[in-house]
Amino acid sequence: DVVLTQTPPTLSATIGQSVSISCRSSQSLLDSDGDTYLNWLLQRPGQSPQLLIYSVSNLESGVPNRFSGSGSETDFTLKISGVEAEDLGVYYCMQATHAPLTFGSGTKLEIK
Amino acid sequence: EVQLVESGGGLVQPGRSMKLSCAASGFTFSNYGMAWVRQAPTKGLEWVATISYDGSSTYYRDSVKGRFTISRDNAKSTLYLQMNSLRSEDTATYYCTREPGYLDYWGQGVMVTVSS
Repeated sequence: DVVLTQTPPTLSATIGQSVSISCRSSQSLLDSDGDTYLNWLLQRPGQSPQLLIYSVSNLESGVPNRFSGSGSETDFTLKISGVEAEDLGVYYCMQATHAPLTFGSGTKLEIK
Repeated sequence: EVQLVESGGGLVQPGRSMKLSCAASGFTFSNYGMAWVRQAPTKGLEWVATISYDGSSTYYRDSVKGRFTISRDNAKSTLYLQMNSLRSEDTATYYCTREPGYLDYWGQGVMVTVSS
């Protein structure tokens, strides 16, 4: 199975600060169809996960543009440009290139 | 508005069975693959099973193969997860998700507790 390693495990930020979360894959996530199925999810406290970014850098509809994704092959980054209070929660990367679908262990974002 | 509403969870003894349902609305259910993802208490997310848009293909994580069955009724816009021979390690919140290559919509989740 593909292992996704997220760092850091926890992140503390002030409102307005920019932060980044790393997700490294044990295998290339470039699919034979040319797409890279690396996605980012946010799970707010007590809520279901929600999709933020799909295929590395595509912002899901309704997601604020302070969120951005980048990367390729095995190395990916989620950036929040100007953290807001509503951004607290656990961020997960997940891959759908290789079966079975797998998730990173999560990065908990706390607001100082 | 896309909605996914799970039901059927609760407390069940080890070795027994339970069936989860997920009622979908707000989109053409028969056009989309669907999946179940679970989350054990205080733990991360774990994919359980996926079914193709027409039900012809199904996929399972190794630990549930032979015990769980994912199915769908496109006429009723409903997804199912039949869980047999339940174990304590199956205790989790189970989420129904839409899967067009990524998991773009999630239900609110249903708790399954396997305990004697």
